[in-house]
Amino acid sequence: KAGVTQTPRYLIKTRGQQVTLSCSPISGHRSVSWYQQTPGQGLQFLFEYFSETQRNKGNFPGRFSGRQFSNSRSEMNVSTLELGDSALYLCASSFESNTDTQYFGPGTRLTVL
Amino acid sequence: KQEVTQIPAALSVPEGENLVLNCSFTDSAIYNLQWFRQDPGKGLTSLLLIQSSQREQTSGRLNASLDKSSGRSTLYIAASQPGDSATYLCAAMTTDSWGKLQFGAGTQVVVTP
Repeated sequence: KAGVTQTPRYLIKTRGQQVTLSCSPISGHRSVSWYQQTPGQGLQFLFEYFSETQRNKGNFPGRFSGRQFSNSRSEMNVSTLELGDSALYLCASSFESNTDTQYFGPGTRLTVL
Repeated sequence: KQEVTQIPAALSVPEGENLVLNCSFTDSAIYNLQWFRQDPGKGLTSLLLIQSSQREQTSGRLNASLDKSSGRSTLYIAASQPGDSATYLCAAMTTDSWGKLQFGAGTQVVVTP
């Protein structure tokens, strides 16, 4: 059974640009969550989707947005990139995020110059 | 607001010793607590999930306990090996924030041959 996949794995952008990251969950999983990991703040929750609906959102500015498609694949978008957005972005999938194990992908390493 | 703390931040043990990793949380209203392992620059690997109704969970050399009343979880790794060197993270899923894992900062473990 294939694990969670994230594309691209590495990304370099400049300030002011926008970026879209993609996450394909484990087959059969309907919940996808996104996290930002930085050395200073650790792992912080961005948002969670279930059956194309955003059920929860973390404390991030509106520049961070996401969506989920009918096949459970999810994308997150960051507009008007800032230097502080440089981070490892991780997505996790599960059958039901509140009660089941969350399986994480390898992450997308975003560097903003 | 849930806060998760892991002490110590770093730990070094000789091969063969048992590892004891601590995790404390402030809000006992949780669905579950999960333990993860992260290798440098990689995503998170799920180790154990303990539901709020359980007291412990075991997998191979790993055993995790949960005491909701005291807000503590402990991960035991028996007979440590150099391959156990990694950062170990605990995360709590609280009942008032759908799909959001609240992570501790992690314990960096080094097992020396």
